[in-house]
Amino acid sequence: DGGITQSPKYLFRKEGQNVTLSCEQNLNHDAMYWYRQDPGQGLRLIYYSQIVNDFQKGDIAEGYSVSREKKESFPLTVTSAQKNPTAFYLCASSISLAGGNEQFFGPGTRLTVL
Amino acid sequence: QKEVEQDPGPLSVPEGAIVSLNCTYSNSAFQYFMWYRQYSRKGPELLMYTYSSGNKEDGRFTAQVDKSSKYISLFIRDSQPSDSATYLCATGTTDSWGKFQFGAGTQVVVTP
Repeated sequence: DGGITQSPKYLFRKEGQNVTLSCEQNLNHDAMYWYRQDPGQGLRLIYYSQIVNDFQKGDIAEGYSVSREKKESFPLTVTSAQKNPTAFYLCASSISLAGGNEQFFGPGTRLTVL
Repeated sequence: QKEVEQDPGPLSVPEGAIVSLNCTYSNSAFQYFMWYRQYSRKGPELLMYTYSSGNKEDGRFTAQVDKSSKYISLFIRDSQPSDSATYLCATGTTDSWGKFQFGAGTQVVVTP
């Protein structure tokens, strides 16, 4: 079955720690995205990547970092510089960044800072 | 002002009723319009995708786009308790390079 997997499903972090969220896709999509979802707000774009070894900042990149070493993988690191990291994090992919391509989402990771 | 506005609900309807959802947007350049369904603690699932104005039907779901009013709608006929979820609208342009604008979502509750 083709799809997007995210792990872990739930993640707890102490203040001052960096954590890495995993995202893997087997859809052979070139483009991948990370979003943050907070109650009462729309999805906000953190980072996106058009191709391996290339990625761009989205609207709320501060305190986050990513890498794209393989086509199928796009991990997100939430650093200690992110002041309010508790949220639901969603990874998505699409065939390409070209306008209009549908984005498909993974199941999400809920991060809680203790 | 947000580029896409959506009433958060909750919208409660009895089973079998028609669910009517809508979004308004501010940028007249938007060309692509999508509706996603999101169950609690799950990722969004693409339901409908339309380009430019007009209607699109898929089973019990109908999506409408009125570009002159900057208004998009989703109708769910013969609603079922399994339709209880949050519905997100999203829009984009041909040069948006994957950067869609999402509404905050409307929570729908279908009661048996």
